[in-house]
Amino acid sequence: NAGVTQTPKFRVLKTGQSMTLLCAQDMNHEYMYWYRQDPGMGLRLIHYSVGEGTTAKGEVPDGYNVSRLKKQNFLLGLESAAPSQTSVYFCASSSRRDFATNEKLFFGSGTQLSVL
Amino acid sequence: GIQVEQSPPDLILQEGANSTLRCNFSDSVNNLQWFHQNPWGQLINLFYIPSGTKQNGRLSATTVATERYSLLYISSSQTTDSGVYFCAGRDSNYQLIWGAGTKLIIKP
Repeated sequence: NAGVTQTPKFRVLKTGQSMTLLCAQDMNHEYMYWYRQDPGMGLRLIHYSVGEGTTAKGEVPDGYNVSRLKKQNFLLGLESAAPSQTSVYFCASSSRRDFATNEKLFFGSGTQLSVL
Repeated sequence: GIQVEQSPPDLILQEGANSTLRCNFSDSVNNLQWFHQNPWGQLINLFYIPSGTKQNGRLSATTVATERYSLLYISSSQTTDSGVYFCAGRDSNYQLIWGAGTKLIIKP
């Protein structure tokens, strides 16, 4: 059971380059999320999706774009990378946005991105 | 102001010790959860604990929502408990707001 898979695991970019991070989940989850984690901080939400074809901005969306063309995939794009986007990126998925029923948030293993 | 605040930021203990981690949260945050991030970066849910007490093996959590705090207890610590413990709560937009974490190191 793969769960949530992120690719790539590591990437180094030069300022101004573009790239796409792929997140795939095999649990038929409706909700998917992209977070970034900076040293000494908790996770901050970049963008999220509540279903196929939908996306919404989170806490720190500037400089990123996302797409959810298929239910199982959530892509995060950086059009023109900046050093401030050096971070660890986590994808997550869940079956419900409201955790009232104790549904879990499942995380990928993270992508370490360095922008030089 | 800070919506989710954790203490202590760092904690170093010997194997076998007990520990208590604290999470204070503001009025704008609810539905507390605790997460563990292992030294290799993998994140897992520990508890969904909007109020009351839950236990899972050597770990337990208590949230007193009226006083806006939650506690995570780890008893008889093992080296595998090392990592960063995060608490997070939902804001009015259903987004998770995370604390900065408590880094726990258990020495053998």
